[in-house]
Amino acid sequence: GQNIDQPTEMTATEGAIVQINCTYQTSGFNGLFWYQQHAGEAPTFLSYNVLDGLEEKGRFSSFLSRSKGYSYLLLKELQMKDSASYLCAVIDSNYQLIWGAGTKLIIKP
Amino acid sequence: ETGVTQTPRHLVMGMTNKKSLKCEQHLGHNAMYWYKQSAKKPLELMFVYSLEERVENNSVPSRFSPECPNSSHLFLHLHTLQPEDSALYLCASSPRPAGGANEQFFGPGTRLTVL
Repeated sequence: GQNIDQPTEMTATEGAIVQINCTYQTSGFNGLFWYQQHAGEAPTFLSYNVLDGLEEKGRFSSFLSRSKGYSYLLLKELQMKDSASYLCAVIDSNYQLIWGAGTKLIIKP
Repeated sequence: ETGVTQTPRHLVMGMTNKKSLKCEQHLGHNAMYWYKQSAKKPLELMFVYSLEERVENNSVPSRFSPECPNSSHLFLHLHTLQPEDSALYLCASSPRPAGGANEQFFGPGTRLTVL
């Protein structure tokens, strides 16, 4: 079967750095998304990776290793507004989007 | 403003009621989706429409009935639901139904409670 694994919950301190990991086992791979979802709101797009390596976008970076079936989202200079759930999703060989259950990130002052 | 709107935002209904959820996208996209989001579970894809034609139905019970009258509007008609159907129902749209960096844009969702 197809599976996306993410930690259920993480806690970090304002101003610090946090890395949210995502591992996947899917039938093929055509890209990986990270979305942010604040409580009670719509998921919003953060990043897309299809090639190995690091993609940087401001305070957020996303890394992909296709050979390891692994990605992470790196958040720097954490702010209270970064408290949210972070969803990892993989496009499989049939171009189906397979979603993880999300990681709830709690930022403490 | 994400360009995708959903109404109502909250809905409480009995198991014998009939109600409809509405989604509208203002982005000129060609594909629209219904998802079910339950606590601590992955998003569950329910239906996909491409240019108003249903292209995917992921074994969803018949008590959920989608309708896509045009490429900007999507409905989910509900009847004789069960308490386990209580969840957040998200609508999304994308430029095309599949392929590549095909980012999906989500609406804020309808929080459904079935009593």
